[in-house]
Parts: sequence; C-alpha cells; structure tokens
Amino acid sequence: GQQLNQSPQSMFIQEGEDVSMNCTSSSIFNTWLWYKQDPGEGPVLLIALYKAGELTSNGRLTAQFGITRKDSFLNISASIPSDVGIYFCAGPIYNAGNMLTFGGGTRLMVKP
Amino acid sequence: GAVVSQHPSWVICKSGTSVKIECRSLDFQATTMFWYRQFPKQSLMLMATSNEGSKATYEQGVEKDKFLINHASLTLSTLTVTSAHPEDSSFYICSAREAEWRETQYFGPGTRLLVL
Repeated sequence: GQQLNQSPQSMFIQEGEDVSMNCTSSSIFNTWLWYKQDPGEGPVLLIALYKAGELTSNGRLTAQFGITRKDSFLNISASIPSDVGIYFCAGPIYNAGNMLTFGGGTRLMVKP
Repeated sequence: GAVVSQHPSWVICKSGTSVKIECRSLDFQATTMFWYRQFPKQSLMLMATSNEGSKATYEQGVEKDKFLINHASLTLSTLTVTSAHPEDSSFYICSAREAEWRETQYFGPGTRLLVL
C-alpha cells in the first residue's frame, strides 16, 4: 500500500536550534499535509502542500513538496519549548476516497 | 475556522458498559468523518470512515458490532464502544472533512477511554 516513511523517529534538541524532518514514499502523492500533535490532544494541521516543488511557510515552520512528489520535509527554525510534540506527515490515497495515510511521526523534545 | 470538537474528553467506565463518543464539526459541514485509534507512542490507526446518512466503512480487523458509528447529520458523528473491555482502553480521535474531493482532515481533541 501507500506507506509514508518518516524520519527521524525522535529528536532531542536544544532550544534555539533548527529542526528538520522528512517524509518519503515509494508512491506519488499530489498533496502533503503536516500535522502536530501535542500530548493528549488531537493533531493540528500546520501546513498543506498541493504542488510539486512548493515551499510554504507558517511562522517558523517551512515545508516543501518534493519535486518527485515522493517526499516532503518540514523545518522548524529557532526551536522553542512549545514546539515539543509529535509531528506527522500525511497524504491522501486517491483510490480510497482520499483517505489519509500517516507517517510514523517524529517526536520532538526541546531542552530549554 | 475548521474546528472539530469531541465529547467527552476522557471517560472511565467499568468493563461491560457501553460508551458513546461524539464528534462535531462546529463551523463547517462534514460530509465525511473518520474515527481513529491511537496507542501510546504510535501513529493514528484508522478505524472507520463514515459518510452522512450512510453506513460506516470499517477497516480490516475492526469489529463493526463492537464499534458502532452513526453519522446522523452533517455536523455530528458518534462512536459507541459496546460492552467495553480493558483492551478497548485507548485514545480515540475523530476527524472531519468538507467533501470527498477535499483532502485535508481536521481533527478533534481526542477522547481518552479507560476501561476498568
């Protein structure tokens, strides 16, 4: 099936550092979504990418839709403690009613 | 915009009882709602897809008689865990989207179920 491989699985960084995580697939996706899940909460949409090569920012977050349509990355600049959480990439499966498939998540921990 | 609420946020119940979880889209009409289950330190696992006015579609391995889903209106879907057992304890999250052609899903805050 269309699986998303997300890496790294976890990161432990110092406050102020930049963070980069990525998501890859053996299949082509026409949309990439990045969500953040705080502990005990539901995922919140951070950035949606709809076009290959697209680079989109949301505050300190920047995400890019890979030109091959098989990958995407999310960068966080100047991390702060509230960036702690799990970041998921997701993509719709078109022959399954646009149901989303999710990456395994990247758990980010920030040391003040 | 695109706010989804879930109620209750947490519930503790005795084994054998049934628990109903509500999912509401507050500022948009959701033709499709999804129910996920999430175990600690794992990604979201899709349980079922529900379209307003029709029967839910369950993922392989999910018992439809155990997890009853009703999507009675464009803003409300309910998940009932029938005869709950301790192994049903988990974090249940719903999501909603406006139309099938739309890819973005908006998630509720989740419901933590603990069955004693």
